[in-house]
Amino acid sequence: NAGVTQTPKFRVLKTGQSMTLLCAQDMNHEYMYWYRQDPGMGLRLIHYSVGEGTTAKGEVPDGYNVSRLKKQNFLLGLESAAPSQTSVYFCASRSHQGFDNQPQHFGDGTRLSIL
Amino acid sequence: DQQVKQNSPSLSVQEGRISILNCDYTNSMFDYFLWYKKYPAEGPTFLISISSIKDKNEDGRFTVFLNKSAKHLSLHIVPSQPGDSAVYFCAASEKAAGNKLTFGGGTRVLVKP
Repeated sequence: NAGVTQTPKFRVLKTGQSMTLLCAQDMNHEYMYWYRQDPGMGLRLIHYSVGEGTTAKGEVPDGYNVSRLKKQNFLLGLESAAPSQTSVYFCASRSHQGFDNQPQHFGDGTRLSIL
Repeated sequence: DQQVKQNSPSLSVQEGRISILNCDYTNSMFDYFLWYKKYPAEGPTFLISISSIKDKNEDGRFTVFLNKSAKHLSLHIVPSQPGDSAVYFCAASEKAAGNKLTFGGGTRVLVKP
């Protein structure tokens, strides 16, 4: 019963390097989300997707790109990492079926440090 | 400008007593509110929610109250247990905006045995 799985769990990058964070869900959910959590600021939405092949910007999209080539996967890319992107990144998914406000299910996060 | 605020960063309570967590919001278009619980090194897990058409929702030891006129909601945990020690996030969504969640900054709860 995996739910939402994030890979990797930890990563240290140097400024200017690129990397991709992977989110995989096995619940057949339509909607997927990427958040970042910084101390005292709760979770802020970076990008989201309402279905395979679609993506949209959230509250803090600058410096990130995303892709949803398969329904079960949502990738978050950092093209040129900056120290301001040091954060904990959470992926979430939710069903579109039933009532509109199905809760989001979260992965356990990726802790990313950029030196 | 934070649309959802949790003004108490931490709360300490004795086991068996009531924990009351508060959350304020500014966007009157929010129509659904949720509470999430988060343990260290884990993702947030859904706890309880309430629609804007209601003023109370109860699930076991957890009750959420909504005061729309004051743009305020609260989470009551009764009785508090040591396993309730965690960070609690308030979140709000607006159907017209695609039900995206806006989170508060969180309240760390410590339940003392």
